Amino acid sequence: SQQGEEDPQALSIQEGENATMNCSYKTSINNLQWYRQNSGRGLVHLILIRSNEREKHSGRLRVTLDTSKKSSSLLITASRAADTASYFCATEEIGSGNTGKLIFGQGTTLQVKP
Amino acid sequence: GAGVSQSPSNKVTEKGKDVELRCDPISGHTALYWYRQSLGQGLEFLIYFQGNSAPDKSGLPSDRFSAERTGGSVSTLTIQRTQQEDSAVYLCASSVTLAGETQYFGPGTRLLVL
Repeated sequence: SQQGEEDPQALSIQEGENATMNCSYKTSINNLQWYRQNSGRGLVHLILIRSNEREKHSGRLRVTLDTSKKSSSLLITASRAADTASYFCATEEIGSGNTGKLIFGQGTTLQVKP
Repeated sequence: GAGVSQSPSNKVTEKGKDVELRCDPISGHTALYWYRQSLGQGLEFLIYFQGNSAPDKSGLPSDRFSAERTGGSVSTLTIQRTQQEDSAVYLCASSVTLAGETQYFGPGTRLLVL
């Protein structure tokens, strides 16, 4: 079953603009991870944010986590055409028996127009 | 260093045949995961390994699916008597330890059952 819901499902912006994607989840988590996927193939890991963290940065990426609202956001600043991809959030639930099992959202498809 | 590799990249098979998918994790990663991505179901967790052990097989879709891992390294996912609904991209991931760590994904095997 899918825990995460991502919003929006699709996003189209111009190069240079910022892109914000949101993820909501249902249960308590150990951590939340964001991935990028190009052309329906392998997932590229972007950022892992733990449940006791509120914000993390990596280059042009900024991730926030609000455990009280069970939500996270991914901000890509100064977008580039190469950022065109699908973006997924994935949560590792507390009580999953420490299996590391990730539950993925449905993803946001981002198109950055040159 | 080398990332997670999977083979074959693509597999086309006839309904009823058996297929074997291979995953080579990042060297030294003790945890290994299999996921499946299909149009109707999104990304779903199948099974995890801690070393060579897979304590929980409940995520496998049916008893036609099996997986093993040998030497704490290579893993194979076998699908017997394939059905058309098995068509999907099968993704493998590994992490340093089980739970709480970044999972690094391979490029996936795209399986098409005719």
